[in-house]
Amino acid sequence: AQKVTQAQTEISVVEKEDVTLDCVYETRDTTYYLFWYKQPPSGELVFLIRRNSFDEQNEISGRYSWNFQKSTSSFNFTITASQVVDSAVYFCALSPKGTGRRALTFGSGTRLQVQP
Amino acid sequence: SQTIHQWPATLVQPVGSPLSLECTVEGTSNPNLYWYRQAAGRGLQLLFYSVGIGQISSEVPQNLSASRPQDRQFILSSKKLLLSDSGFYLCAWTSGGFGDTQYFGPGTRLTVL
Repeated sequence: AQKVTQAQTEISVVEKEDVTLDCVYETRDTTYYLFWYKQPPSGELVFLIRRNSFDEQNEISGRYSWNFQKSTSSFNFTITASQVVDSAVYFCALSPKGTGRRALTFGSGTRLQVQP
Repeated sequence: SQTIHQWPATLVQPVGSPLSLECTVEGTSNPNLYWYRQAAGRGLQLLFYSVGIGQISSEVPQNLSASRPQDRQFILSSKKLLLSDSGFYLCAWTSGGFGDTQYFGPGTRLTVL
């Protein structure tokens, strides 16, 4: 069985602060994908990043960066110099690789509030 | 480019009434399609997925059903809604190959009174 844990239910920061959202996962699969999605108040889930289990390189995209550590089964997400527009619920998710079902197992989400 | 549509955007229905939510995808063929539900303040739960026309797999026994009458159309239905069916329903698609990123539609917010 797969499981994704986002222990931080809600985080509140002041604009320009850095913030890290934690994600810990469990899976018996040897190959899998990890994802982060953003859900703004409008509700639509916006894809942010996909990471293959074979690729442990960290990734940076603008103010966003992701730290994947297979040894600790973690895939943490850092926002540098946060902005009010970053306020949203962020979901970490896991899916097996391959054909067929490949459905996502989501964490419970972390609500980020960035105060001006 | 691919686009996914859902309608209606919002829906208020009485208990016991029927339900039909529609999801369509443009710009791709033979996608895998998914229905998720998000209860208020909670994560997403997979309800159904489909790997092809007429092929539906149910993840959670419940009051809902799904159908895929066309390659890029996925419908969520109920004959009689329950209060517990209230929530935010999201449709998602992914390619049938190894492109495992799921892309989500704008969602339908359903309130059952």
